[in-house]
Amino acid sequence: ETGVTQTPRHLVMGMTNKKSLKCEQHLGHNAMYWYKQSAKKPLELMFVYNFKEQTENNSVPSRFSPECPNSSHLFLHLHTLQPEDSALYLCASSHAGGHEQYFGPGTRLTVT
Amino acid sequence: DQQVKQNSPSLSVQEGRISILNCDYTNSMFDYFLWYKKYPAEGPTFLISISSIKDKNEDGRFTVFLNKSAKHLSLHIVPSQPGDSAVYFCAASLTGNTPLVFGKGTRLSVIA
Repeated sequence: ETGVTQTPRHLVMGMTNKKSLKCEQHLGHNAMYWYKQSAKKPLELMFVYNFKEQTENNSVPSRFSPECPNSSHLFLHLHTLQPEDSALYLCASSHAGGHEQYFGPGTRLTVT
Repeated sequence: DQQVKQNSPSLSVQEGRISILNCDYTNSMFDYFLWYKKYPAEGPTFLISISSIKDKNEDGRFTVFLNKSAKHLSLHIVPSQPGDSAVYFCAASLTGNTPLVFGKGTRLSVIA
């Protein structure tokens, strides 16, 4: 596989569920990102990891918990979400210090 | 407060004509600007970028112009093709490995 992949592509979960989103990049990058895209809003940065270390948490509620076990994999653990958390969650990667980020296809999350 | 603004939510252009997408920014410290293209059910795809030391960058049918004094950039697509129909996002970043700040996007429809 090439590029940035995300699984699952679609997820429906109840407010009491626990689920995880997975991102994998095959580009040799060492920075990875989680973004949230809600309807009619700009992409909102959630988390940044550089060389597996979290370098940015953009005031994200604790019900979202990221994990970066290595430079190729990024997870977003979800717990007791709210309906307003329904959105498209996008993963991206880049070279550390690089401006161009490459995005995965996203996970469409619906919280019921 | 939005630092990157795309004030036109949508644009329709006839096939073969020029498409001009506009973007304004407020932070004069931004030094790198990017355009991304997004099809439905896919993640954003990097299209073209420009450094603040330049005022123009061209890649095939796509040209980005930067006017630093006006804090304005634009993407020109010529000639426009139906396959160019997508949402276009403008993004900006500061020096180094800083997160991208995105606009809300402009939906371009190229009519055959």
